Amino acid sequence: SAVISQKPSRDICQRGTSLTIQCQVDSQVTMMFWYRQQPGQSLTLIATANQGSEATYESGFVIDKFPISRPNLTFSTLTVSNMSPEDSSIYLCSVAVALLGGELFFGEGSRLTVL
Amino acid sequence: GESVGLHLPTLSVQEGDNSIINCAYSNSASDYFIWYKQESGKGPQFIIDIRSNMDKRQGQRVTVLLNKTVKHLSLQIAATQPGDSAVYFCAENMDDYKLSFGAGTTVTVRA
Repeated sequence: SAVISQKPSRDICQRGTSLTIQCQVDSQVTMMFWYRQQPGQSLTLIATANQGSEATYESGFVIDKFPISRPNLTFSTLTVSNMSPEDSSIYLCSVAVALLGGELFFGEGSRLTVL
Repeated sequence: GESVGLHLPTLSVQEGDNSIINCAYSNSASDYFIWYKQESGKGPQFIIDIRSNMDKRQGQRVTVLLNKTVKHLSLQIAATQPGDSAVYFCAENMDDYKLSFGAGTTVTVRA
């Protein structure tokens, strides 16, 4: 399986600030994704992080709010911009490793609380 | 909205008994499904997957059943243990490994 490291694991942020979450994978992966999990809820796909090009966002998510970078095959960042309390969630990085039959693995998540 | 849903939000099971967690999906063209386990404070952990060309797949103590006729998916856990207490999600591969998750079932194992 792929080992996925996310930083920070948790943070408390002030309203109006921005925070960047990092995702590092221990092997080259074909696909990387970012999900949001609001308190007590299921997971919702934010976007696909594309290596060397702009991310592909799902309905309801926009680049200005959630800018994403993926400079190489093992690393991606998600920024949550101009945060409000409604952004308090767990943000999860996910990867698909084709050599492992396309299984999708998740990081442990970054738990953000916005005051 | 979600294309995948679960029948029950909670399940309480006696230790040693078998657990069955259900999931219904709406897209008849869906061809790949995954079950995840999420323990408190952790990310989802891959349990087992199944493709639409199969109707059953077994792993260690777990079995996934797929009924394409009624668009129903289930996860069976044999001899449930306290460590099985978690939230279980079914997920559907929409396209290129983009997943749509169901609402989740919280499994509580009674000693």
